[in-house]
Amino acid sequence: ETGVTQTPRHLVMGMTNKKSLKCEQHLGHNAMYWYKQSAKKPLELMFVYNFKEQTENNSVPSRFSPECPNSSHLFLHLHTLQPEDSALYLCASSQWGIRDTQYFGPGTRLTVL
Amino acid sequence: AQSVTQPDIHITVSEGASLELRCNYSYGATPYLFWYVQSPGQGLQLLLKYFSGDTLVQGIKGFEAEFKRSQSSFNLRKPSVHWSDAAEYFCAVGLSTTSGTYKYIFGTGTRLKVLA
Repeated sequence: ETGVTQTPRHLVMGMTNKKSLKCEQHLGHNAMYWYKQSAKKPLELMFVYNFKEQTENNSVPSRFSPECPNSSHLFLHLHTLQPEDSALYLCASSQWGIRDTQYFGPGTRLTVL
Repeated sequence: AQSVTQPDIHITVSEGASLELRCNYSYGATPYLFWYVQSPGQGLQLLLKYFSGDTLVQGIKGFEAEFKRSQSSFNLRKPSVHWSDAAEYFCAVGLSTTSGTYKYIFGTGTRLKVLA
């Protein structure tokens, strides 16, 4: 595998379920990001990790819980979600630095029933 | 507050025609500016970026963008559009935060349709 991979690509879950999204980067980067992409809304940066340390949490509800066990893997744990959380969740990675190019995965399409 | 505006939600052009996608930002200092493209079912791909220097930036796939400080704009252009350019295009601003890290603010995107 090359680049940034995300699994699963599609996920349907009930409001009481617990699920996790996985992201893996094969680019040797040290920064990873979670974004939420909803229809007709700007892409929202949710979490930023630099060398496994969380550096940004943009007022994301606690029902979203990120985990970064190492610089190659990033998880987003989901529990008791709401229907308005249905969206495309994108993972990205880069070298740490505002000038460095982010590489995005294809996303996980999440539907909350 | 910082923001990025892409005033055109949809644009349709004929193949071979020229293209300009508009982007305006609101930020006190000179930001780091980016254009990304997203094809259906895929993540975003960087087309080009601007940090400083020459205000006309060349990117991949024949795209270019011009930074105009006086207009707070960073418009994306292509002289001749190909059918494969049909996608959604996002403008973004990179900002340093007070906590010493950085974040990105994206526009809502412009969906490009190309007519054969």
